[in-house]
This record gives sequence, C-alpha cells and structure tokens, in this order.
Amino acid sequence: QKEVEQNSGPLSVPEGAIASLNCTYSDRGSQSFFWYRQYSGKSPELIMSIYSNGDKEDGRFTAQLNKASQYVSLLIRDSQPSDSATYLCAVIGGADGLTFGKGTHLIIQP
Amino acid sequence: DVKVTQSSRYLVKRTGEKVFLECVQDMDHENMFWYRQDPGLGLRLIYFSYDVKMKEKGDIPEGYSVSREKKERFSLILESASTNQTSMYLCASSPGTGAYEQYFGPGTRLTVT
Repeated sequence: QKEVEQNSGPLSVPEGAIASLNCTYSDRGSQSFFWYRQYSGKSPELIMSIYSNGDKEDGRFTAQLNKASQYVSLLIRDSQPSDSATYLCAVIGGADGLTFGKGTHLIIQP
Repeated sequence: DVKVTQSSRYLVKRTGEKVFLECVQDMDHENMFWYRQDPGLGLRLIYFSYDVKMKEKGDIPEGYSVSREKKERFSLILESASTNQTSMYLCASSPGTGAYEQYFGPGTRLTVT
C-alpha cells in the first residue's frame, strides 16, 4: 500500500514570508509528483508537477524533489492571504491513479 | 483549459435508492477517476477507467459500480445508497500514457438520509 504523509497543520505563516510544505512517500518507485491546492468546499486544483530531482519554479511556487530521501516539498514565496488553503501532495507510482496525502492546512496571517 | 463537469453540486437521497453521479470531460482524456473525500480520511480512489468500457477497482470499490460507454463520460453508480456513503464525490481525468496529472471536476456533495 503506497503511503503519502503530510503534516496536517495548521501551518501559520505571516503575509509576505515563505511557506514551506513537506511531503514524504513510501513507494521508492514513484516517478511523478504533484501539488494541489484545495480551498474549503472546492475541488483540488493542480498547481505544480515535478518528475526529476531538484527544483522546479513557477511564479511564486517552487517544488523540490529528492527521490533518494523520498521527499517532495512546495515553497510559496511572498505568501498572500489568498494562498490560505489545504495543499495536497500526490504521487503516482503505477497504473492505479494518484495516491494523495491528507493535506496540510496553510493559513497566511495578514 | 481542461474542463471536467459533474451532474450535480448537491444531492440528497434516501437510504436504498439507486444513485447516479455523472462526469463529463471535454479534453479527449484517456483516463477518468472517481474519488470520495471525507474529513480526516482524505481522498480515496473508488474506481478508474483507462478506456471506453474498461474499469478498474480502486481502494474502496465496495458498494459502487461505474460505467464508461463513451470516452468523455464516466458514471458512478451507488446501487443501494447507505448513510455511510454520504460524502464529497470528485471526478477527475488525465490525458493518458506519460501524462499523469489529474484535473478535477467541482465535486458532488451527496447526503444519504
């Protein structure tokens, strides 16, 4: 059974600071990794994907992957109140869809 | 933009009723998925499909069935609804071979009384 672990939070970060969200996964064969943002009462929205070790930047978001440590993270720079949401880490390792973590609840304090 | 639509945002059904939840995607995606999401349990995969008329069980298929008669449409069926099937149901699609990112519909909040 693949597992994806996230700290449930809440993680509270001041506006303008860097928010750091972390995720570990159990399946060493996993190849594709995704970050989703989910606002309360809404469905998950894909914000980042990463497939290779290292960093991938997209605007204020940076995804980091370390396959040796089975660790993936998401950094949000210049955090805004609109970034307050639950962030889901998802991993795919085979033919049976994505395995999601339970999410980290992020609160950006104005 | 990828668009995934679901037939209802909110649904209230009685115990024992047969319930149909429909999902349509307009991007010619190969793969479609049904999840349920519950507080504290996260997203759990019910069924998925890689092609028309194909279906595969996910982690929690009991009490559910699916139908995919056309590529763009994937239906989730609750044969005899029970109160423990009260949940948020999310449909997703992904492009297919080599492209695994999934795009979600808005969700259906189902209440079974």
